[in-house]
Amino acid sequence: NAGVTQTPKFQVLKTGQSMTLQCAQDMNHEYMSWYRQDPGMGLRLIHYSVGAGITDQGEVPNGYNVSRSTTEDFPLRLLSAAPSQTSVYFCASSYRRVEQFFGPGTRLTVL
Amino acid sequence: TQLLEQSPQFLSIQEGENLTVYCNSSSVFSSLQWYRQEPGEGPVLLVTVVTGGEVKKLKRLTFQFGDARKDSSLHITAAQPGDTGLYLCAGGGYNQGGKLIFGQGTELSVKP
Repeated sequence: NAGVTQTPKFQVLKTGQSMTLQCAQDMNHEYMSWYRQDPGMGLRLIHYSVGAGITDQGEVPNGYNVSRSTTEDFPLRLLSAAPSQTSVYFCASSYRRVEQFFGPGTRLTVL
Repeated sequence: TQLLEQSPQFLSIQEGENLTVYCNSSSVFSSLQWYRQEPGEGPVLLVTVVTGGEVKKLKRLTFQFGDARKDSSLHITAAQPGDTGLYLCAGGGYNQGGKLIFGQGTELSVKP
């Protein structure tokens, strides 16, 4: 049982580049979410999904897209990277929506 | 914007000391969780409290949910270096649209 996996672990982008952060879970959880973590700001919700085919915006959705074609996968797309998107990104899944299981994170730097 | 305020933000203590971390809000939560995060890893759930006034113990850690379900505290007795990490509180429920709101975290350092 791998839990929540994220790839890549580290990534450096140039301003304007696009990329996809991958997230997968093997716990058959319906609820998945993406957070970003910045120093002194805790975790802020970017997008979330309550099941395959259903996604919604969180607190800081601008510049990010998501889709949920399967229960297991929930990729996060950066459309045109900006230095303000330099952060650590965490994917999480949940059975009851509030108790979250987190992946190991992706540390992204945008130059 | 609904906020969860954690205090203190940083705490550096000696092994064996006791400490309390607070998590406060003006909003009511259906449940509140505490997570612990080590460097380079994702947060790991420690406990969930759901009833006003509830107290839960996890070895040397004691968690309390306020009577009005707006605040919580984490008390660590006889802290050890292995307790070092970032402690995050998170609240969720109907008032939050089913989403989880995180506090900014408390960075704890326990020196041997």
